[in-house]
Amino acid sequence: EDQVTQSPEALRLQEGESSSLNCSYTVSGLRGLFWYRQDPGKGPEFLFTLYSAGEEKEKERLKATLTKKESFLHITAPKPEDSATYLCAVQAVRQAGTALIFGKGTTLSVSS
Amino acid sequence: KAGVTQTPRYLIKTRGQQVTLSCSPISGHRSVSWYQQTPGQGLQFLFEYFSETQRNKGNFPGRFSGRQFSNSRSEMNVSTLELGDSALYLCASSLVLEGSSGANVLTFGAGSRLTVL
Repeated sequence: EDQVTQSPEALRLQEGESSSLNCSYTVSGLRGLFWYRQDPGKGPEFLFTLYSAGEEKEKERLKATLTKKESFLHITAPKPEDSATYLCAVQAVRQAGTALIFGKGTTLSVSS
Repeated sequence: KAGVTQTPRYLIKTRGQQVTLSCSPISGHRSVSWYQQTPGQGLQFLFEYFSETQRNKGNFPGRFSGRQFSNSRSEMNVSTLELGDSALYLCASSLVLEGSSGANVLTFGAGSRLTVL
């Protein structure tokens, strides 16, 4: 069964304190792995797509990496505005269209 | 560029009633997907419509249904509401390229928050 597990469930950081979020996945053929950010009262906002092991993508203070079993979202010198829930999702090769399997997310709180 | 618009944003229903939620995708996006988000289960895929046809369906009972119109706007309906249907219902649209085998990025709306009493 395809599955996505994110850890930790919640993470509290001080401003400037770098850390990483983990996304472990089990899927029968990976079409793509996605990272989304969700703010309270809003829908998820797309951050990255990763397709194959070894791939890395960066955007401002965020960097996503991918291995055959997990993905990491590295946050460098976070700011309070980075506080949000970060969601990881996978799409299997066998899945047509846009069906994604989401993890339950990591809620990040950054204090100044 | 307008994003994905969902209406209504909030609604309260009682058990046994039915509800219809509406979604207007980004202009040019032909794929519309629906997801249910709850604190316990997270985001779960309901179904996807592409060119007015249901292309994929998640593991939800038949009380959950949807449709897509020729202008790509979509509606989902939940009949005989149960307490457990209380959730945030998210619509997402995607620019799906014909013949593409790549992963498709979803753009989500802000959601419709349904409370069933």
